[in-house]
Amino acid sequence: QSALTQPASVSGSPGQSITISCTGTSSDVGSYNLVSWYQQHPGKAPKLMIYEVSKRPSGVSNRFSGSKSGNTASLTISGLQAEDEADYYCCSYAGSSIDWVFGGGTKLTVL
Amino acid sequence: QVQLVESGGGLVKPGGSLRLSCAASGFTFSDYYMSWIRQAPGKGLEWVSYISSSGSTIYYADSVKGRFTISRDNAKNSLYLQMNSLRAEDTAVYYCASPDGIGGAFDYWGQGTLVTVSS
Repeated sequence: QSALTQPASVSGSPGQSITISCTGTSSDVGSYNLVSWYQQHPGKAPKLMIYEVSKRPSGVSNRFSGSKSGNTASLTISGLQAEDEADYYCCSYAGSSIDWVFGGGTKLTVL
Repeated sequence: QVQLVESGGGLVKPGGSLRLSCAASGFTFSDYYMSWIRQAPGKGLEWVSYISSSGSTIYYADSVKGRFTISRDNAKNSLYLQMNSLRAEDTAVYYCASPDGIGGAFDYWGQGTLVTVSS
């Protein structure tokens, strides 16, 4: 099973909005509304930011939002803040025996 | 609060074995599915293995199938990963994490334990 495709890096200025794409196939992203997004700061464990495509866990800022169209999911961060600078990973269910597949990760730089 | 604490990582030679543990607290461990996820140095996340709450259903990534064995002891609130025939490409930080059901998001993560396979 191939990893989901994410841009290696994105950047934005404080206050701006950015979108990170996550492209899979009809066997994973396109088949299930089980896409999640994780934020990872250097040396730290990943933190769940979005689950089931567009739902936010309790405590996650509403500046983070998710969506999906066909085989591509997206994470949008609005009102960029310095603390948003991190690596972001998408993940999708890929069916039994394959289970979960992650994206390669996107490094977000807040200019 | 929910806490997952991994241990057992270290330096091992190619072909060697290692057993990782994950101690859970702050929630009813026996009610939760569990997984191992790894991250090679400077690389992305890779799902490794899954075990159901009772231990009756287990899945592995193709990259570790036949070499790694996941297990759990609900009486001890612990998750394990027995890793045999280790290869250089198994070098990674190994996280235990709890998925919200089959295919669900990983809402709880441990801090990770580093496994280095090198001669």
